[in-house]
Amino acid sequence: AQSVTQLGSHVSVSEGALVLLRCNYSSSVPPYLFWYVQYPNQGLQLLLKYTSAATLVKGINGFEAEFKKSETSFHLTKPSAHMSDAAEYFCAVSGAGGGNKLTFGTGTQLKVEL
Amino acid sequence: GAGVSQSPSNKVTEKGKDVELRCDPISGHTALYWYRQSLGQGLEFLIYFQGNSAPDKSGLPSDRFSAERTGGSVSTLTIQRTQQEDSAVYLCASTSFISGAGNTIYFGEGSWLTVV
Repeated sequence: AQSVTQLGSHVSVSEGALVLLRCNYSSSVPPYLFWYVQYPNQGLQLLLKYTSAATLVKGINGFEAEFKKSETSFHLTKPSAHMSDAAEYFCAVSGAGGGNKLTFGTGTQLKVEL
Repeated sequence: GAGVSQSPSNKVTEKGKDVELRCDPISGHTALYWYRQSLGQGLEFLIYFQGNSAPDKSGLPSDRFSAERTGGSVSTLTIQRTQQEDSAVYLCASTSFISGAGNTIYFGEGSWLTVV
């Protein structure tokens, strides 16, 4: 079975600081990995995805993530946080035994402070 | 429409009543999903439809939950004899399944269900 683990249910950063949201996956075969963002009272929006092409994936709003097979990680980063980045972020995995079904992590709530 | 459309956006129901939640996927998308998002529970997979294949119902929490997809498009999630623990946001999603499993899945804004 495939799964993802997000370390830290809440992360707080200062505006302008580096954002780092951690995600580790478990899969017996190379997975497809996704980061979604959920703003308050809204649905999920895709930030970026890894589908076995480049290991460094760039997404919307200045976010990027690097697939590291040796560490089974797919951490999300942004060099400089904006107030508008405050939201909940979900890492997800699909592929292998799960087919086209997404399995989500438990989410990380990002708070951006002045 | 341009995105996944869900209705109602908010529903308050009495314990024991049945509810129906509707999802209209993006036009042309062959795959449709239902997820449940509860406080402290994250996003829980419920059911997955792909074309004319038998749906993957492995995530339905009990036999009070069922879903159907008519004509390969609109889907209805039905919860019978609602319980307070059914209170959650029910998210529908769709994708144009081509091959493999890296397709982008698009989500609706959800139906907020409160059972009182």
